[in-house]
Amino acid sequence: EVQLLESGGGLVQPGGSLRLSCAASGFTFISYAMSWVRQAPGKGLEWVSVISGSGGTTYYADSVKGRLTISRDNSKNTLYLQMNSLRAEDTAIYYCAKTNSGYGPFDSWGQGTLVTVSS
Amino acid sequence: QSALTQPPSASGSPGQSVTISCTGTSSDVGGYNFVSWYQQHPGKAPKLLIYEVNKRPSGVPDRFSGSKSGNTASLTVSGLQAEDDADYYCSSYAGSNNRYVFGAGTKVTVL
Repeated sequence: EVQLLESGGGLVQPGGSLRLSCAASGFTFISYAMSWVRQAPGKGLEWVSVISGSGGTTYYADSVKGRLTISRDNSKNTLYLQMNSLRAEDTAIYYCAKTNSGYGPFDSWGQGTLVTVSS
Repeated sequence: QSALTQPPSASGSPGQSVTISCTGTSSDVGGYNFVSWYQQHPGKAPKLLIYEVNKRPSGVPDRFSGSKSGNTASLTVSGLQAEDDADYYCSSYAGSNNRYVFGAGTKVTVL
């Protein structure tokens, strides 16, 4: 059974930093791309970033480019999202999602971790 | 503003059918057969219902079906059940730059 467990969320001031983690199990981690998808309170889903299975290729939404960095440690079956220069509009639940191929879909999701950017 | 356009709400009585539309452009929905649909209950993570326009993952009931015509994809829920009361999101691959886009979601109410 695929399991994805996010951690690292919390309250951070505008301009601050945070690192999210997503521990994966139940599948061959290195064989799959992984994504971060976020959902602002009461709003819809927004794709944030995706990383290839090897970690060598990454893509970002324009809204986070240059501020958020996706990475993975295949020896630890863990996905990361380094979040810098955070803004109020980054406030959201952040989900990690197993991504079946470069074309999607997001076939398994974690339970999410809440990031709140506020002074 | 979301890249894909969905109606904000839809409803039906138990046993009836409801169809949700998802309109994009030739750069996303119309350009690729990589449309997916997700169901989300309040306070829960999204769940994949449909991928590649009309394929169902194992475990998803065949009451859920997908289709596409031009720049518009559709999700049909047949034989509505109480547990289908949820938010539904469409998504599409959108090429090497924008990568993936979502709709704003449709709240389905089972009357």
